[in-house]
Formats: sequence, C-alpha cells, structure tokens
Amino acid sequence: DGGITQSPKYLFRKEGQNVTLSCEQNLNHDAMYWYRQDPGQGLRLIYYSQIVNDFQKGDIAEGYSVSREKKESFPLTVTSAQKNPTAFYLCASSITPAEGYYGYTFGSGTRLTVV
Amino acid sequence: AQSVAQPEDQVNVAEGNPLTVKCTYSVSGNPYLFWYVQYPNRGLQFLLKYITGDNLVKGSYGFEAEFNKSQTSFHLKKPSALVSDSALYFCAVRDGAAGNKLTFGGGTRVLVKP
Repeated sequence: DGGITQSPKYLFRKEGQNVTLSCEQNLNHDAMYWYRQDPGQGLRLIYYSQIVNDFQKGDIAEGYSVSREKKESFPLTVTSAQKNPTAFYLCASSITPAEGYYGYTFGSGTRLTVV
Repeated sequence: AQSVAQPEDQVNVAEGNPLTVKCTYSVSGNPYLFWYVQYPNRGLQFLLKYITGDNLVKGSYGFEAEFNKSQTSFHLKKPSALVSDSALYFCAVRDGAAGNKLTFGGGTRVLVKP
C-alpha cells in the first residue's frame, strides 16, 4: 500500500544536539511538507518542497533545515538553534496535477522531546 | 493571503445528537476546502473536500459539510454523533490562485459524551 512513513515515532534530544526526522513516501507525490504541531496552536508550516532539489521556508523555518535529494524523501533536521523543539512533527505530501487538487496525505508523526 | 478560522476550541455533544464544527475562510481566488480529523498521537486523516459542484459534500464516517460562498463558511456536520467521533478536527483551505499550499485552522476538539 502507498503512504507516508515517518520515523522514529518518538525521539528524545539532548540540549545542543541536532536530530533528523525521516519522511519517506511511495505515492509518487511531487510536493512534500513539514508541519509542527503544539497543543492549542494547530499546524504551523516549517518547510515545503515542490520538486526535487528545491525547497522553501514556511512560517517557522528558523532552527530547522531540510533537503530534497530524492522525490521520495524529505528529511527534517532540528538544529541546536531551535530553542523550543519539543513538539509533534507531521510530514505530508501532495500531487500536483495539471487540473484539480487533492489535498495532502499525512504521515503518522514524530513526537520530539528535549531531555 | 488565505486564512481559516475555527471559532470554537472545543465542542461538547451527547452521543446521538447532531454535531457541528464551524469553519470560515478567506481567499482571494476560488477556494478548495478540506476537513481532516486527528486522533491522539496520529497524523491527520482526510474526511472530505469541496472543490466545485454541489454545496453539500459527503465524506467518510457519515460526515458532511456545507459550502456557503456568501458566508465564506464550510461547517462540518454529522447527524448523530458517536463516542468514537471524539477527536481533533481541522479545516483547511487552498487558494486556487496561490499555489498548492494548504492553510489550516487552529483545530476544534470534539468530545462526544455517552
């Protein structure tokens, strides 16, 4: 079955460490997205990528970095510059057809906790 | 810029009663509207969408939503709520003139009491 896989499901980071969250999709979707979810704040866009080797900052990109070397993969690195990284991180993807629009497919998320 | 508002942080309803979750939007072009549901520690699951056509859209799990252009609203409804409908619900909009990004509302927590 096609879908989006996020790993790990739970991740613990020490102060000052960089950590990388994995997002892989086998849907052949062109675009991929990273969102951060905090209690009571809904979803905030971190980065998105419309095509391979290209990505754009979202609303809260500071302290994060991404790469898009393959269509299937869009890893997110949470750097030590991100001062409050504890949150639930969601990856999503979407197709970009010539006509119409189909919305996003989401992964099951990674919960990152600073210890 | 596109935006979405979900005016209620939480909706409480008794099992068997009608459920409504409110959503209003603002776009400059034609809106593409979506509802997603999230269960604890899970990703968002697609419920339904409005792209064009009939204003009443039917989706998964007995949910439906009504597109109202004059009121710029897209309220989610279910005639008879179940305890298992308790979850976090997100409305989202894509402005057809602004690329592929979805903008999400802040979410509404639904609590269905037995």
